[in-house]
Amino acid sequence: GAVVSQHPSWVICKSGTSVKIECRSLDFQATTMFWYRQFPKQSLMLMATSNEGSKATYEQGVEKDKFLINHASLTLSTLTVTSAHPEDSSFYICSARGRVDEQFFGPGTRLTVL
Amino acid sequence: TQLLEQSPQFLSIQEGENLTVYCNSSSVFSSLQWYRQEPGEGPVLLVTVVTGGEVKKLKRLTFQFGDARKDSSLHITAAQPGDTGLYLCAGQTTDSWGKLQFGAGTQVVVTP
Repeated sequence: GAVVSQHPSWVICKSGTSVKIECRSLDFQATTMFWYRQFPKQSLMLMATSNEGSKATYEQGVEKDKFLINHASLTLSTLTVTSAHPEDSSFYICSARGRVDEQFFGPGTRLTVL
Repeated sequence: TQLLEQSPQFLSIQEGENLTVYCNSSSVFSSLQWYRQEPGEGPVLLVTVVTGGEVKKLKRLTFQFGDARKDSSLHITAAQPGDTGLYLCAGQTTDSWGKLQFGAGTQVVVTP
């Protein structure tokens, strides 16, 4: 159990376009999902906390207008990178909170902005 | 400044050797998780510890949570090439609202 999927697994886009990444909890309901980004050889950096039915909570320094998060159901959260630029290229990972104090991670999405 | 200090940052050992990774903090954690991550993939949960002094074993992996719930260690016995990966500790404090604080990670390389 506790499977989290992400789609797409990788995406290449032109500068200025928007990209949507989906995160789904496949076998459990998640009222809370988290979005992280990870640079090569570094740890995960929390971007925002996504709560079903309410606005996301963003970490300091993360632009909420650039990284739009929607958590429309108990099994789906989406992250949209708007007007993407090369510096947004990164590995984006979501996690879903299952039982108390446990998070299960998706496989990640590699975004490359040309 | 990271809430969780993980050491060492990098560890390269021969197959069959033992290794220990440490995770330390000045903060008290309500729970602490250990993950392993391989390149291009998301972290995979290995264990969750919640009780001070708790020891959990997962085959050749032994996890310990400090009595004061401020530190943890991961010990691998007789490491194998399949143990290669980035090991991450992550903890939740009582006021973190469910958010995980990650350590910087330990890259472990086990060569045959």
